[in-house]
Amino acid sequence: GAVVSQHPSRVICKSGTSVKIECRSLDFQATTMFWYRQFPKKSLMLMATSNEGSKATYEQGVEKDKFLINHASLTLSTLTVTSAHPEDSSFYICSARVGETTNGYTFGSGTRLTVV
Amino acid sequence: AQSVTQLGSHVSVSEGALVLLRCNYSSSVPPYLFWYVQYPNQGLQLLLKYTTGATLVKGINGFEAEFKKSETSFHLTKPSAHMSDAAEYFCAVSDHAGRRALTFGSGTRLQVQP
Repeated sequence: GAVVSQHPSRVICKSGTSVKIECRSLDFQATTMFWYRQFPKKSLMLMATSNEGSKATYEQGVEKDKFLINHASLTLSTLTVTSAHPEDSSFYICSARVGETTNGYTFGSGTRLTVV
Repeated sequence: AQSVTQLGSHVSVSEGALVLLRCNYSSSVPPYLFWYVQYPNQGLQLLLKYTTGATLVKGINGFEAEFKKSETSFHLTKPSAHMSDAAEYFCAVSDHAGRRALTFGSGTRLQVQP
């Protein structure tokens, strides 16, 4: 149970274009999702927290106009990298909190974004 | 504020040897603690977690960790390493209510030598 499906797993895009990454909770309702960015050989850095039906909360230093997060339903959250540049190339991972009372988190399989 | 420190960015052990990956945390509230494993270009898989109760936590694949409040530590161990254990391991902390995102340590890459 508690599976988060993340797509695409890999994407290569041209500089200046936008890329959308989707995360779906398959067998539970995810009221809260987290988006992380992971640089090569580095840890996961929280980018933003999205709550269904409300605006995402971005961490300090994360450009909200570049990294658009939408959490329109209880099973889908999307991250759109707008006007992508090579420095946006990274591994992006979503995570959902599982349940309101139990402290568990499940992670998507990640998206490797390469901007050329 | 919460933080996690993982001592040793790389650990190398021989197959069959003890695995010890160190994690120390800082938290202003009683923490929930986690260990995750990540294989290349994949997401994170939960190994084990400590929330409340027994301080020795057993996880998957033979791993276990002990929560030591006095030492603010949550070290991960496995009695006998297997080649398939080679991966990146992350320790993470959450606030007691579990409402916030996890804060991750910098990770430890485990190498297992034949």
